Amino acid sequence: EDKVVQSPLSLVVHEGDTVTLNCSYEVTNFRSLLWYKQEKKAPTFLFMLTSSGIEKKSGRLSSILDKKELFSILNITATQTGDSAIYLCAVRGQGAQKLVFGQGTRLTINP
Amino acid sequence: DTAVSQTPKYLVTQMGNDKSIKCEQNLGHDTMYWYKQDSKKFLKIMFSYNNKELIINETVPNRFSPKSPDKAHLNLHINSLELGDSAVYFCASSLIGGATGELFFGEGSRLTVL
Repeated sequence: EDKVVQSPLSLVVHEGDTVTLNCSYEVTNFRSLLWYKQEKKAPTFLFMLTSSGIEKKSGRLSSILDKKELFSILNITATQTGDSAIYLCAVRGQGAQKLVFGQGTRLTINP
Repeated sequence: DTAVSQTPKYLVTQMGNDKSIKCEQNLGHDTMYWYKQDSKKFLKIMFSYNNKELIINETVPNRFSPKSPDKAHLNLHINSLELGDSAVYFCASSLIGGATGELFFGEGSRLTVL
């Protein structure tokens, strides 16, 4: 069965700090790994990664995938209070129609 | 315009009742999903439909019955509600069976069973 494990489960930092969120996975016939941000309501899409070693970047957020070691990291630099959210990692495998989610990392940025 | 919309957003009901949640997407996607998010924020897939055809049916009690009248709508009906059904139910949609793109989520329907 496909599995996604995120760490840490919870993280509290001060504004301006840099954080790294981890996602490891086991999936049959890996197709892609996705990161989502969930504030109060709907998860919103951040990145989709399919190739190893290629960094995706959007402003202060960046992510990279290691298909050999079966993990991905999400980096956030110069954190702001608006970055406080639950960050979800998901993988798409052989059953390409579904995403399997990890349990999320709850990130809290204190002013 | 809301891309994926769900109604109702909040639902409080008694054990044993039957309730429905409706979902509509205006993105032109061909695949729709129901996910359940528990109190620990774990998102777990329940069902997926591609062009009105059921393609994913995870281990979900048969009290839960999805219905897709057309590819823009996916409704979820729950019979004989139990306390453990309390959760946030998210509808989502994607294009080309989800193989190439991300899922777009609705804002969720918070179900509380008393």
